[in-house]
Amino acid sequence: DQQVKQNSPSLSVQEGRISILNCDYTNSMFDYFLWYKKYPAEGPTFLISISSIKDKNEDGRFTVFLNKSAKHLSLHIVPSQPGDSAVYFCAATAVRRGAQKLVFGQGTRLTINP
Amino acid sequence: DGGITQSPKYLFRKEGQNVTLSCEQNLNHDAMYWYRQDPGQGLRLIYYSQIVNDFQKGDIAEGYSVSREKKESFPLTVTSAQKNPTAFYLCASSPTGENYGYTFGSGTRLTVV
Repeated sequence: DQQVKQNSPSLSVQEGRISILNCDYTNSMFDYFLWYKKYPAEGPTFLISISSIKDKNEDGRFTVFLNKSAKHLSLHIVPSQPGDSAVYFCAATAVRRGAQKLVFGQGTRLTINP
Repeated sequence: DGGITQSPKYLFRKEGQNVTLSCEQNLNHDAMYWYRQDPGQGLRLIYYSQIVNDFQKGDIAEGYSVSREKKESFPLTVTSAQKNPTAFYLCASSPTGENYGYTFGSGTRLTVV
């Protein structure tokens, strides 16, 4: 049972345009969400996160939107740059003491074309 | 610089052999995790540990074992009981108690030949 889903395996965007990556979740207990970026043969790196008490978080070119009623979040990258080409993973967790068990989506491969 | 070191980066194993993947961190994080990445399936949790001498099974623990004798180290053993061991293995660590997210290592690619 996939609790976090990224339904688009790949996305191609022209340099300078907006990239929008989507993520859906089913577990209503999730209340903290993260996006990670991953290059081939490397570990994922943290990009941006959002708590369920917010509906938007912005950091430079990256903005994450959360729609709790739809159990949907999205990552906007604007403007898109060639270095943004990577696989992006959405992750979710429930706030608790101790270890943070993140549940990851399948990933979306973003390609930025010149 | 603080970080997580996974070794080796590439590992080949013959069928029927156990193999141990190393993970060391100097971030002073209490919690450590092992994930497995397969094409089209994202990252799946194998084992995690909140503190020294304690660890818990994740979603796909069968065929794997871990130990946490030191705060800095969380080695993963892939046993011969793991039916599909060929994958990319990622180790991560985090502080406990708040939502800090993970710091990941650079991964180990295990191939069974």
